Amino acid sequence: AQTVTQSQPEMSVQEAETVTLSCTYDTSENNYYLFWYKQPPSRQMILVIRQEAYKQQNATENRFSVNFQKAAKSFSLKISDSQLGDTAMYFCAFIHLEGGGADGLTFGKGTHLIIQP
Amino acid sequence: AAGVIQSPRHLIKEKRETATLKCYPIPRHDTVYWYQQGPGQDPQFLISFYEKMQSDKGSIPDRFSAQQFSDYHSELNMSSLELGDSALYFCASSSGGTGPYEQYFGPGTRLTVT
Repeated sequence: AQTVTQSQPEMSVQEAETVTLSCTYDTSENNYYLFWYKQPPSRQMILVIRQEAYKQQNATENRFSVNFQKAAKSFSLKISDSQLGDTAMYFCAFIHLEGGGADGLTFGKGTHLIIQP
Repeated sequence: AAGVIQSPRHLIKEKRETATLKCYPIPRHDTVYWYQQGPGQDPQFLISFYEKMQSDKGSIPDRFSAQQFSDYHSELNMSSLELGDSALYFCASSSGGTGPYEQYFGPGTRLTVT
């Protein structure tokens, strides 16, 4: 079974700073996707970014980018020019793709990110 | 864009009662997932359906059952409710058959068992 570890329970940065959230995972499989989800105080789960394991190029979505190190099983999220609205719980998640795509996501415990004005 | 719809948004039940949660996926999505998120916890996968067939099973109690209907909506049935079942229940949908396997979450149903 795969596991996802987020070693930073809480982080706090000033507005406009850059922040990096860490995530490591453990799997024996080769075919998988990784995601970062954001959960603001409203509790809505919002997809931030996706990375396919077979792609070497790191995914980028506007101010959000990842550093995917497959050999090290590391998948960190970098938020540039942080904004007050980025304050949320951030979950790293893993999905294994063998046998079709309808497997459930395995989540890390989350990192509570606080952006200070 | 249309999102995942869940109903009801809030539900209060007593111990040993039964609850039914409904989920309407994003149009043209063929896969539905159910997750349970306890207070201060990460979401835990319960069960998923692809094209109306059960696809994957997680930590779903035997007291819970679910199905996906011909219009792709799904229902999670929960019986003999316990205090520990109090949680936020998410439904997510995706194009599970062909990818890209991104799961989009609904707003959740907050279940309180008293």
